Amino acid sequence: GQNIDQPTEMTATEGAIVQINCTYQTSGFNGLFWYQQHAGEAPTFLSYNVLDGLEEKGRFSSFLSRSKGYSYLLLKELQMKDSASYLCAVRDSNYQLIWGAGTKLIIKP
Amino acid sequence: IAGITQAPTSQILAAGRRMTLRCTQDMRHNAMYWYRQDLGLGLRLIHYSNTAGTTGKGEVPDGYSVSRANTDDFPLTLASAVPSQTSVYFCASSEGPNNEQFFGPGTRLTVL
Repeated sequence: GQNIDQPTEMTATEGAIVQINCTYQTSGFNGLFWYQQHAGEAPTFLSYNVLDGLEEKGRFSSFLSRSKGYSYLLLKELQMKDSASYLCAVRDSNYQLIWGAGTKLIIKP
Repeated sequence: IAGITQAPTSQILAAGRRMTLRCTQDMRHNAMYWYRQDLGLGLRLIHYSNTAGTTGKGEVPDGYSVSRANTDDFPLTLASAVPSQTSVYFCASSEGPNNEQFFGPGTRLTVL
C-alpha cells in the first residue's frame, strides 16, 4: 500500500527554527510537494523536490532523500502567521498525488 | 474571477438527495481534480481530468461522478448523498499532471 507519515502536531516558539519530517512509501516516485493550509482555508503550494538535496525559498527550505523515502520542511525565523498545517504529498507512478494527513504547527510567542 | 472558484461555500443536505458541487477555473489549466478532506486523514482524490473531455477515477470515486465538457468547469455530482459523504470538498487545477496544483476555497458539505 501507499503511505505518507508525518507527525500530527508540533509546537515551536516565535523566532525559532522547526523541522517537519515526512516519510513515504509509494508505488513509484515522481516528486514530493509541501503545501501550507491555514485553518478553514485551501492548501497553498510551498515547495517541490524531485532530486535529492535541499531547495531553499526564503524562510522555507525543503530536503529530499529518495533512497531513504524521506523529506523535511525547515521553517526559519518563525512568525505567528506560520501557525498552520503542513501537508506532504508524493506524486506516484500514475502521476497522482498521495497526501499525508498533515502536521499542525502551533507557534507560541 | 481569478483562480479557482467553488460553489456553494457550504451546504446541508438530506440523505438521498442529489447534489452538484461546482468548480470553475480561469487559468486555462488542462488538469483538474476533486478531493475530499476529512479530519485526521490526508486529502483523498475522488476524480480527476487531465484534459477537457477526459476523466478518471481516483482513490475514492464511489458515489461520485464528474464531467469535463470544457476547460474551465469540472462539476462533481453526488447522485444520492449519504452521511459518510459529509466532508470538505476541494477542487484543484494544474497546468498538467506534472505541475503543482492550485486549490479552490472548498465546499463544506453536511449530509444528514
